[in-house]
Amino acid sequence: AQSVTQPDIHITVSEGASLELRCNYSYGATPYLFWYVQSPGQGLQLLLKYFSGDTLVQGIKGFEAEFKRSQSSFNLRKPSVHWSDAAEYFCAVGAARFGNEKLTFGTGTRLTIIP
Amino acid sequence: EPEVTQTPSHQVTQMGQEVILRCVPISNHLYFYWYRQILGQKVEFLVSFYNNEISEKSEIFDDQFSVERPDGSNFTLKIRSTKLEDSAMYFCASSESGFDEQFFGPGTRLTVL
Repeated sequence: AQSVTQPDIHITVSEGASLELRCNYSYGATPYLFWYVQSPGQGLQLLLKYFSGDTLVQGIKGFEAEFKRSQSSFNLRKPSVHWSDAAEYFCAVGAARFGNEKLTFGTGTRLTIIP
Repeated sequence: EPEVTQTPSHQVTQMGQEVILRCVPISNHLYFYWYRQILGQKVEFLVSFYNNEISEKSEIFDDQFSVERPDGSNFTLKIRSTKLEDSAMYFCASSESGFDEQFFGPGTRLTVL
């Protein structure tokens, strides 16, 4: 069974500083990997995804993530955060079986931005 | 931009009552999903649905739960006899194929009293 670990429950970053959110996954085959963002009271918005190919993927809002198979990691990065980036971030792994994809989510990292 | 919609945004019910949560997936999508998020916890998979039948379900999705696509646009989750522990945010999602990104709706917050 697949699983996702997000070791940081809460991260505080100054506006304009760089950001890295950690994600480690466990899955027996090549994973499909996702980062979603959830603002308070809102649904889940896809930031970026990795299916195959280039291990550095670009997403929306200036985010990027790097897939490292040797470390079973898919860390999310942003070079300079904005106050509007304050939200909950979820890493997820997709298990495609029988043409169906069930997402398993991590516990999330809450990002706080300080001036 | 097409989006997944869910109604109602918030539902309050008494324990033991039946509830139906409604979702309208993106129109050309073929795969549909329900997830739930208990307050302060992670998002959990409940069930996936394709070609008018359940593809996969989690251990959470017991006999009290059912899903249906009653017409060409709606996708519903029914809980027959709600329990206090069913209180959560329920998210509907859809995808064009089984190997594609899932688009999530804004969620329905279910409160069971």
